[in-house]
Amino acid sequence: GAVVSQHPSRVICKSGTSVKIECRSLDFQATTMFWYRQFPKQSLMLMATSNEGSKATYEQGVEKDKFLINHASLTLSTLTVTSAHPEDSSFYICSARKSGVGPQPQHFGDGTRLSIL
Amino acid sequence: GEDVEQSLFLSVREGDSSVINCTYTDSSSTYLYWYKQEPGAGLQLLTYIFSNMDMKQDQRLTVLLNKKDKHLSLRIADTQTGDSAIYFCAESGGGRDDKIIFGKGTRLHILP
Repeated sequence: GAVVSQHPSRVICKSGTSVKIECRSLDFQATTMFWYRQFPKQSLMLMATSNEGSKATYEQGVEKDKFLINHASLTLSTLTVTSAHPEDSSFYICSARKSGVGPQPQHFGDGTRLSIL
Repeated sequence: GEDVEQSLFLSVREGDSSVINCTYTDSSSTYLYWYKQEPGAGLQLLTYIFSNMDMKQDQRLTVLLNKKDKHLSLRIADTQTGDSAIYFCAESGGGRDDKIIFGKGTRLHILP
C-alpha cells in the first residue's frame, strides 16, 4: 500500500496563532509532496509543491511567507500557517508521490480541518 | 489552460450501476485518475489509467478512456450505500511536473 498520515486532523485556535501540520509517507519514500487547500463543496486548490531538500514551489497567489513549507526528509513535509486569521480557516490536504522512474500517482492524507476563531 | 469537467451530482438506486463521466482538455495527459472523498476525509485513490489504455477493471470499478474524445468514465457496479461520496476525476502529465488537475467532483447519492 501507500499510506500517507496527516496530523493533526483538526485544529481550533485563536487568531494570531501559528499552526504546524505534518504530512508523513509511512511506507514509501516521497521526493515530492503537495499541499492543497479545499473550501467547502469545492475542488482541491494546489498551494505548493514540496521537494525534499529544496525550496517549495508555490502556486500563483499563495503567500510563501504565510504558508511555510519544509520538506526535510523523504518521508516528512510540514506546512506552517503563520499568524493564522479566520480567513485561513479551511481544510488542508497533503499528498505524496512515490520516488521512482516516470510519473507516479499521488496518495493523499486524511486532511486537517483548521478553524481560526 | 488545462481543464477537467464533470457533472456535479448523480443519483443512483442501490444495486444499480453508477456511471460518472469526465472530460478533459489536455491531449498530452499521461495519467487519468479517479479519487473518492467521503465527508470530512481526505482523498482516496480509487484507480488510475495510463493514457495508452482503453479500459481498466478492478473488482466493481471499470474505467473507460476515449482518448480521441478526451472522455473518461468510472462505472461502479452494484452500487452500495458505502459508495456515497464525492468522486474526483483528475489528470496529470504533459510536462507539468506531474501536477494533478482536478475536476470539481461529482457527488454520488444512493437512493434506497
